[in-house]
Amino acid sequence: GENVEQHPSTLSVQEGDSAVIKCTYSDSASNYFPWYKQELGKGPQLIIDIRSNVGEKKDQRIAVTLNKTAKHFSLHITETQPEDSAVYFCRLGNAGNMLTFGGGTRLMVKP
Amino acid sequence: GAVVSQHPSWVICKSGTSVKIECRSLDFQATTMFWYRQFPKQSLMLMATSNEGSKATYEQGVEKDKFLINHASLTLSTLTVTSAHPEDSSFYICSARDKDLPPNQPQHFGDGTRLSIL
Repeated sequence: GENVEQHPSTLSVQEGDSAVIKCTYSDSASNYFPWYKQELGKGPQLIIDIRSNVGEKKDQRIAVTLNKTAKHFSLHITETQPEDSAVYFCRLGNAGNMLTFGGGTRLMVKP
Repeated sequence: GAVVSQHPSWVICKSGTSVKIECRSLDFQATTMFWYRQFPKQSLMLMATSNEGSKATYEQGVEKDKFLINHASLTLSTLTVTSAHPEDSSFYICSARDKDLPPNQPQHFGDGTRLSIL
């Protein structure tokens, strides 16, 4: 399947700071870019997504930005809280399919 | 919102046992469900796509005789790990696609089944 690279693999921030996770891809046909949060022992939950016709989407403390020219999209979490600690995955989608997950980022928010 | 229920959440059994995991869509109908496996500290890997009323489609390297999938209704898919061995120990997660939405829409994930084979 289509490869997507996710960085960093681990991220530790102080409570209140911002966290940014980035995914890069190569398939120009990708047009749907969701982000998932997976808490320990649970399945991934969709937290925000963006489609290729927009460059940025925001939902309270969470935002996603997309640069189609450079083929990367990023998750931004502002004013981080301990409950934001989890593993975050990006993913790619195109017209008919959801493709591979990124490798995941373990975010640790220190109180 | 849409809910996918997975059962059991945790199972421990002896080597050689067959284990069945259920995935149910609770408030929507799903013609397509997906089964993933996740090893510790790794990403989700798609194992197979389960299609209601037809045979499942398996990803390369996944043994269809080892991982039996049945999708007999629009709300239930089952994954049976046959003659399980310790190397099959993993976190198995299902997701479901709402049949009334276009294919490229968010999938809803279950909370996973942790399988431990002794």
